[in-house]
Amino acid sequence: QVQLQESGPGLVRPSGTLSLTCGVSGESISSSNWWSWVRQPPGKGLEWIGEIYHIGNTNYSPSLKGRATISVDKSKNQFSLELRYVTAADTAVYYCARSPGFLADWGRGTLVTVSS
Amino acid sequence: EIVLTQSPATLSVSPGESATLSCRASQSVGNNLAWYVQRPGQAPRLLIYGASGRAIGSPARFSGSGSGTDFTLTISGLQSEDFAVYYCHQYTNGGGTFGQGTKVDIK
Repeated sequence: QVQLQESGPGLVRPSGTLSLTCGVSGESISSSNWWSWVRQPPGKGLEWIGEIYHIGNTNYSPSLKGRATISVDKSKNQFSLELRYVTAADTAVYYCARSPGFLADWGRGTLVTVSS
Repeated sequence: EIVLTQSPATLSVSPGESATLSCRASQSVGNNLAWYVQRPGQAPRLLIYGASGRAIGSPARFSGSGSGTDFTLTISGLQSEDFAVYYCHQYTNGGGTFGQGTKVDIK
């Protein structure tokens, strides 16, 4: 069974960079899956952020206006999200997921608060 | 970007009754449509993929239908754990988007 675990700082300063990592167990990150990030502001709906394939192909939501970068570390079987120039609007629970198209397996999520 | 519109925003149903949730896409997504359920304090969980395929572990009372731009999730005989928020998600090539969610609550 695939398990995913998000990790990273829970507090980020405005205009700073949010950095999260998703550790994957039970499946090689080099398998035929995309690996995705989704977020959910408090009390609101889900927002798709982007995805990466193990050879480096990426897709991002246009709404993030080029602020996001997703990368993969095959040696550690993990992938990461960087979101630059954050504001309070980026405060959310961030989820990582295994994606054979749809989002088949999800991490438990991690809350990131943007505040000074 | 493909916009998904879910209706209704809230659906009040009595336990044991059926519920029908709708998801409409701003352009065709073929069969690349999934449904998820999210209970309070939990991560979303996959119910339906490919518009009508039931995920492993998804109870038979959940069924999906539709293609192109109009999709439906039907829950037959609601149980207590089914009162939650449901999201549709399109996953066409090069990106994905979610609907705004439908909350199913107890009537």
